[in-house]
Amino acid sequence: GAGVSQSPRYKVAKRGQDVALRCDPISGHVSLFWYQQALGQGPEFLTYFQNEAQLDKSGLPSDRFFAERPEGSVSTLKIQRTQQEDSAVYLCASSLASTGFNGYTFGSGTRLTVV
Amino acid sequence: SQQGEEDPQALSIQEGENATMNCSYKTSINNLQWYRQNSGRGLVHLILIRSNEREKHSGRLRVTLDTSKKSSSLLITASRAADTASYFCAPGSGGYQKVTFGTGTKLQVIP
Repeated sequence: GAGVSQSPRYKVAKRGQDVALRCDPISGHVSLFWYQQALGQGPEFLTYFQNEAQLDKSGLPSDRFFAERPEGSVSTLKIQRTQQEDSAVYLCASSLASTGFNGYTFGSGTRLTVV
Repeated sequence: SQQGEEDPQALSIQEGENATMNCSYKTSINNLQWYRQNSGRGLVHLILIRSNEREKHSGRLRVTLDTSKKSSSLLITASRAADTASYFCAPGSGGYQKVTFGTGTKLQVIP
């Protein structure tokens, strides 16, 4: 597609519920990133994929967070047993590989509210 | 990766004035990017300047980079109300250009 698409746009989850957030990157973009943005803060890095390989997951806050990109295109961020502190906007970004890098293209994000 | 630190944290100007935002970082970089974020939306890539460049222009945007001082500035000329947003710098380094964002500069342009 023309841009990075994220779904759903909004998600309300009851505490303890599992959620799955989807990211469709730009076709041909090798690199895919997930960020978490709390209100009034900058985006915090969660994890990075190069094609289907998850090369960096150092930003995932706990083992309740899991991300995958099985075919090197669409990625899913899963949060198990959601807690109120997980409430944030989750942003996905994609880019060309290093040799063609010219900045990230971000999706509009998924706003997760845990009640 | 490293985090860029934007300064000032907030800036309020009249429409038509110029706005200048600064960014500092700590270690060597391959490039530095600037992004804009309107309230409740995703980040929009504005401009990328490479480490061997000193200045770059794009429309009403002018970015400078001083690698000796590890700093960059973003100048928006003839500001418009639509420029109201948060602006983030993103120093890029490493093989896959991982960046960590700071808290940004919140710009308000008053009509």
